Amino acid sequence: NAGVTQTPKFRVLKTGQSMTLLCAQDMNHEYMYWYRQDPGMGLRLIHYSVGEGTTAKGEVPDGYNVSRLKKQNFLLGLESAAPSQTSVYFCASSYGQATNQPQHFGDGTRLSIL
Amino acid sequence: GENVEQHPSTLSVQEGDSAVIKCTYSDSASNYFPWYKQELGKGPQLIIDIRSNVGEKKDQRIAVTLNKTAKHFSLHITETQPEDSAVYFCAASPRDNFNKFYFGSGTKLNVKP
Repeated sequence: NAGVTQTPKFRVLKTGQSMTLLCAQDMNHEYMYWYRQDPGMGLRLIHYSVGEGTTAKGEVPDGYNVSRLKKQNFLLGLESAAPSQTSVYFCASSYGQATNQPQHFGDGTRLSIL
Repeated sequence: GENVEQHPSTLSVQEGDSAVIKCTYSDSASNYFPWYKQELGKGPQLIIDIRSNVGEKKDQRIAVTLNKTAKHFSLHITETQPEDSAVYFCAASPRDNFNKFYFGSGTKLNVKP
């Protein structure tokens, strides 16, 4: 039972380069989320999805794009990386029900932009 | 939107002592409050949660209390052990936007043997 799997685990980019972070979940969850974690700031929501083919902006969406072509996958893209995007990125997923459900997190992708 | 504040930012206790971490929230519509433990190099893991229709919940050495009137909730860890050392995050989620979690800034707990 893998849960939420993020790839890659580490990456170093140069300013202006692009990349895609992949999140996969095997729990048949409807909802998926991308967060960034910076020191002293907790977790901030970038984008989220409430189902296959749908996406929505979170608290800090600028500079990122997402896609949810398959229910089990949620991709986060950086088109032109900037040093301010150096962070640890976490993907999470949860059931989509009429009441709040706990979110389950992957182990993160550590991204450095030089 | 919701604003969650968490205190203290660091907490050091002796093994066997109790630890308490407190969070306040601003939106009275919030009705779900999970707590997560994050170990070094890992993602946050849910350790306990509480809904607004309950004032207290326990799971072995861990308990969470909720005061809706004062808009604050707390995590209590009794008989702390070195393996409890980690960063703990609280979160709040409103009933009218239940897929949104608002996280506190985290508490680094150090349990000294």
